Order: sequence, then C-alpha cells, then structure tokens
Amino acid sequence: DAGVIQSPRHEVTEMGQEVTLRCKPISGHNSLFWYRQTMMRGLELLIYFNNNVPIDDSGMPEDRFSAKMPNASFSTLKIQPSEPRDSAVYFCASSLGATHSGGYTFGSGTRLTVV
Amino acid sequence: DAKTTQPPSMDCAEGRAANLPCNHSTISGNEYVYWYRQIHSQGPQYIIHGLKNNETNEMASLIITEDRKSSTLILPHATLRDTAVYYCIVRGSRGSTLGRLYFGRGTQLTVWP
Repeated sequence: DAGVIQSPRHEVTEMGQEVTLRCKPISGHNSLFWYRQTMMRGLELLIYFNNNVPIDDSGMPEDRFSAKMPNASFSTLKIQPSEPRDSAVYFCASSLGATHSGGYTFGSGTRLTVV
Repeated sequence: DAKTTQPPSMDCAEGRAANLPCNHSTISGNEYVYWYRQIHSQGPQYIIHGLKNNETNEMASLIITEDRKSSTLILPHATLRDTAVYYCIVRGSRGSTLGRLYFGRGTQLTVWP
C-alpha cells in the first residue's frame, strides 16, 4: 500500500488566492482527518470524516476553510481566500473507523506558504 | 485540549533504553492512551496504544500504571533514527470528542552516539 498520499508537497501562493490541498486515504479506510501544524499551535485537528460524511468540523478556523470528501478515495481542503497566517504544514490521516482502536496513518503533509 | 503532560525534552545514549513518561491524570475509564512520534518534516507515525494492560510490539513497549493516571513508553534499544518528537495522546471516545487525537507539545527525544 502506498499509504496516505497528499498533494502537492509544497505550495507557495500569494495572499488572496485560492488554495486546494488534496488527499488520497488508504484503500479500505473509512475515516479521514485533516490536521494543521504550526510552530505556535502545534498539531490541530481541523475536521474529520467518517464514511465520507463530515462528523466534526469544529476545528476549522473560519469560513475561508472548507473540506469535502466526494468519495471514499479522495478529499480536498480548500482555503479561499488564503492569508499569510494560513502558512503551515497540513496533514491528512486515515484510519479504519474513527472508533477503531488501531492507529491513524498520516500522509507526508503539504507545506503551504502564503506570501 | 491536550489531556496529557510530558517533559519537553529528553536524551538517551544510542543502544540504551529510552523511557518516556506521560501523565494523564484525568483519563476516563474507556479512553485509550496512544503514542505517536514525528521525525523532522514527516507526518506523525503511530507507535503503540493501550487501555489498561501493558503492551508490546516490534517498535516499543507501553507500561500503564494500575490507576491509569500515567504511562511510560519504552524504546528498548534506542538508535539515532529514533530521534523525534514523541506524543502521548488520550483518544476521545465519546460524543464530540469521538475520534479526536489531541496532540500536545510532546517530548523531543534526542539519541546521541
């Protein structure tokens, strides 16, 4: 298995532009999580899906952020418009059920820089 | 919303056991303790988890105290590649916390030659 695949690995964009981050979870996993990591705040859970349905989006910082999971093998996190304070590493993770006692598998992350 | 307390940093000689402590005094009866690590510039990696019994796998051992208020992750023979930030996490198990992993600041473990 190729693991959780995120794209792009790096993204540099100008303030005000739309940014779309992509994630392909591990085949068969039915829970998907988006995290953001910064030096100031560490790792924060933004949103998670179970069976393609958003379960908890209370971590999404504001309306500029949106996430979708149109099918079991693909999810996007969109920021529109982007701001410099959105600069961070964004991780996607998947697991076999949010309540499964096993671990979550994280992708390699997307490093976003908004200038 | 991290429910755990860990020392910010530790170091260990290569080949020796690394014992990483974690306090989780407010843990609920059905909440699991998870350990992850993050090597620089990579995504967090699952290591081990447990509920009340001690656990061991190919990576590490997890010792949970009888009152479940603290635990210790043991890397029996640390190598330079074990240098990473280690996170101790109590996984939410009910309602709005279901599925959440609260990552605190973790412990920076440095293994030196």
